[in-house]
Amino acid sequence: NAGVTQTPKFQVLKTGQSMTLQCAQDMNHEYMSWYRQDPGMGLRLIHYSVGAGITDQGEVPNGYNVSRSTTEDFPLRLLSAAPSQTSVYFCASSGGQGFNSPLHFGNGTRLTVT
Amino acid sequence: GENVEQHPSTLSVQEGDSAVIKCTYSDSASNYFPWYKQELGKRPQLIIDIRSNVGEKKDQRIAVTLNKTAKHFSLHITETQPEDSAVYFCAASATSGGYQKVTFGTGTKLQVIP
Repeated sequence: NAGVTQTPKFQVLKTGQSMTLQCAQDMNHEYMSWYRQDPGMGLRLIHYSVGAGITDQGEVPNGYNVSRSTTEDFPLRLLSAAPSQTSVYFCASSGGQGFNSPLHFGNGTRLTVT
Repeated sequence: GENVEQHPSTLSVQEGDSAVIKCTYSDSASNYFPWYKQELGKRPQLIIDIRSNVGEKKDQRIAVTLNKTAKHFSLHITETQPEDSAVYFCAASATSGGYQKVTFGTGTKLQVIP
C-alpha cells in the first residue's frame, strides 16, 4: 500500500492564481481531511469528508474548496491564491469516519504564494 | 468548539533523561487522544493514543496518561535518545454532528542533547 499520496511536493504561485492540490489514498478509508501547518499554530483543519459526496468545513475553510467524487481522492482547490495561504498542506485519512482512529498523513505540499 | 493547549512549546533534555509534555482540552465530549511525532521535513506519525475509558497506556519508553476530570493528558518519554528529537503534537477528538473532529495542540519541539 502506498498509503496517502500528495502531489505536488512543492508549488510556487502568484497572487490570484488558482491550483489544485491532489490527495489519494489506497486504504479504503472513509474519512479524509486537509490540514495546513503554520509555525507556532499546529495543524488546523481546512475541510474534511466522511465519504464520497459528503464534505464539510473545518476551522479555516475560507479560500479553499473541496469535493469527494470517489473514496480514494480528495483534492483541495485554491480559487485565488493569497500570500496568507503560504503554508505546508497535509492530507490525512482514517478508517471508520474518523471515530477513534488515527490519522494517516501524506508527505505534505509546501506552497508559497508571492 | 474544542480548544487544545499544549505546553511547553520547546523542551531540551539530556540524553537518558525523561521528557513530559502536557495538554489540556476544553470539550468534555472528547473521547480519543492521539499523539503524533513529526521529524523535520516529514509527515506527522502516530506514536501512541488513548481512549477516554482508559487512564494510562504504555508502549516501551512512551506512556500517556489521561485525567478526564481535569481535562488534561500527558506524554511521558523515558530514557530519551537523540532520535526522539522532533516536534510532538497532542490532539483531542470529539464527535460533532455525528462525525469525529480532531483538534491539534500547537506542538512541542523536543531536543535531546547527546
